[in-house]
Amino acid sequence: SQKIEQNSEALNIQEGKTATLTCNYTNYSPAYLQWYRQDPGRGPVFLLLIRENEKEKRKERLKVTFDTTLKQSLFHITASQPADSATYLCALVLISGGYQKVTFGIGTKLQVIP
Amino acid sequence: EAQVTQNPRYLITVTGKKLTVTCSQNMNHEYMSWYRQDPGLGLRQIYYSMNVEVTDKGDVPEGYKVSRKEKRNFPLILESPSPNQTSLYFCASSLWPGEGGEQYFGPGTRLTVT
Repeated sequence: SQKIEQNSEALNIQEGKTATLTCNYTNYSPAYLQWYRQDPGRGPVFLLLIRENEKEKRKERLKVTFDTTLKQSLFHITASQPADSATYLCALVLISGGYQKVTFGIGTKLQVIP
Repeated sequence: EAQVTQNPRYLITVTGKKLTVTCSQNMNHEYMSWYRQDPGLGLRQIYYSMNVEVTDKGDVPEGYKVSRKEKRNFPLILESPSPNQTSLYFCASSLWPGEGGEQYFGPGTRLTVT
C-alpha cells in the first residue's frame, strides 16, 4: 500500500542546533516533493520544492535532500530558533496523464527550546 | 494582496442540510484544490482542478462535489453532510499545474456537523 511517514511525535531541539526532519514514502513515484510549515489554526505555508532529479536544495537556513532510491527526503533547519517551532509537512506531488495530485504526510511537530 | 479566501471560516450545521464553502483566489492561478485536515490523519486531498471545467478526485472525494466555472472560484459542496465530515477544510491554489508549483492555502473553514 502507499504510505508517507514523518516523525509523528514531537521533535524537541535546543536553540542554535540543527533540526533534521524525515519524510519516507513507499509505493509512490513523486515528480516533486514539497515542504510546508503549519502553525496552529492556520493554513500551511510553502517552504521548499525539490524535483525528482535534484539531490539537494537550499534556502537561507533551510536545506532539503531528496533520495529517490531510498524514497526519503530530509529537511534541515540550521541555527534553529524558537520562532521555528511549528509543524512541518512534507508533500508528494504526483503527475499522471497531465493531472497533478498532492499527498501530504501527517507532519512533525518541532519545538525549539531557548 | 495576493491571497486565497474561504467563507465561512466557521460553520455548525445539522446532518443532511446542504452547504457550500466558497474559495476564491486573486492570483490568476490555474490549479486549485480542497483538503480536509483531521487529527492523526493529516491533510488529505478531496478534489482538485487543473483549470476551468477540469476537475478530478483526490484521495477522499466521497460525499463532496466541486465545480470550476471560473478561474478564480472553486466552491466545495456538501449535498448531505454527515458527522464524519466534521473537519478543518483548506482551499489552496497554485500557478503551474503539472510542475509541482507551491500551493497557497486559505485560512481554513472549521465545519461541525451534528
